[in-house]
Amino acid sequence: DAGVIQSPRHEVTEMGQEVTLRCKPISGHNSLFWYRQTMMRGLELLIYFNNNVPIDDSGMPEDRFSAKMPNASFSTLKIQPSEPRDSAVYFCASSKQGPGTSGRGRYNEQFFGPGTRLTVL
Amino acid sequence: DAKTTQPPSMDCAEGRAANLPCNHSTISGNEYVYWYRQIHSQGPQYIIHGLKNNETNEMASLIITEDRKSSTLILPHATLRDTAVYYCIVRVTGNQFYFGTGTSLTVIP
Repeated sequence: DAGVIQSPRHEVTEMGQEVTLRCKPISGHNSLFWYRQTMMRGLELLIYFNNNVPIDDSGMPEDRFSAKMPNASFSTLKIQPSEPRDSAVYFCASSKQGPGTSGRGRYNEQFFGPGTRLTVL
Repeated sequence: DAKTTQPPSMDCAEGRAANLPCNHSTISGNEYVYWYRQIHSQGPQYIIHGLKNNETNEMASLIITEDRKSSTLILPHATLRDTAVYYCIVRVTGNQFYFGTGTSLTVIP
């Protein structure tokens, strides 16, 4: 298995431009997570999908951010318009949520992608 | 959701056991304790999790106190490759993980 795939790995853009980050979760996983990591704020959960449906987007900083998951194998995180303060590493993670998530085993183990380093000038 | 408290940094000599503490005094009865680590420039990696019994796998051991208010992650023989930030997370409702600032472990040769 190739693991979680993210693209691009690095993105440099100018303020005001639209940025689209892409994620392909591990095949068979039904939950997908977008995180943002900065030195100041650490690793923050932005949004979480289960079976392609957004469950919790309370971490999305503002309306400039949007995320979609049109099918089980693809998700995007879009920033429009981008600002310098959006500069961060964005991680996508996926997991396989089984019935009774409080059970033992590897439930809830999240597998992270390599991240996209975004720089907004 | 229960919060966790971890020391910001720790050192450990190579080959020795690394013991990373975590306080979670407000944990509720059905919340698990999860540990992840993040090696520089990479995404976080799952290590281990437990409810109330001690757990061991190929990477580490997890010791949870009887009152469940704290736990310790043990790396039995630390290597230089174990240098990373270690996150202690108490599982919240649903499936969201909220990572804190973690403990930056430096393994010294």
